[in-house]
Amino acid sequence: GENVEQHPSTLSVQEGDSAVIKCTYSDSASNYFPWYKQELGKRPQLIIDIRSNVGEKKDQRIAVTLNKTAKHFSLHITETQPEDSAVYFCAASANDMRFGAGTRLTVKP
Amino acid sequence: GAVVSQHPSWVICKSGTSVKIECRSLDFQATTMFWYRQFPKQSLMLMATSNEGSKATYEQGVEKDKFLINHASLTLSTLTVTSAHPEDSSFYICSAGDRGKETQYFGPGTRLLVL
Repeated sequence: GENVEQHPSTLSVQEGDSAVIKCTYSDSASNYFPWYKQELGKRPQLIIDIRSNVGEKKDQRIAVTLNKTAKHFSLHITETQPEDSAVYFCAASANDMRFGAGTRLTVKP
Repeated sequence: GAVVSQHPSWVICKSGTSVKIECRSLDFQATTMFWYRQFPKQSLMLMATSNEGSKATYEQGVEKDKFLINHASLTLSTLTVTSAHPEDSSFYICSAGDRGKETQYFGPGTRLLVL
């Protein structure tokens, strides 16, 4: 089955800096890669997603890149703000969705 | 659009009792819903895939007789934790996707505490 690895597990940046979170997946059949943001005690919220026929997608300060050959994808957050602090999960989906272990991002004001 | 509700949000029960958790898609139909378990500061662990009108598909290591799943309609799936024990205490969360679309939307989760 699918195995998703996510790094780093924790990330601390200064406000205004960029943050990058990386994930790798194992199943070449996976074709959909969403990223979720989860604040403490709340549900995961979809922030951006990418499909396997696209290499990069951007939405304001958030971008995701996908390298199908290498089976890895990354989340990039630019101009980070304290409200970006949360746990971020990547996921890879073929028939069902498998999640990475999560990255706890802390943005220091 | 794409709202998923979950009820109850909190439940405290005695060991040995059964607890039912409901997951509803409010503004779309979902032939498939997913049930996850999340331990503190950990990732989402897929427990089972709930299929409307048929049996659920359980992940390896998840006891189907312990975690009963019913998906009787296109908008409702239920997870029943039978004979709950303290080790079943966790955050249970469901997700659903609009038919034909990949994007999954999560319910708000149910925090279960078994005493």
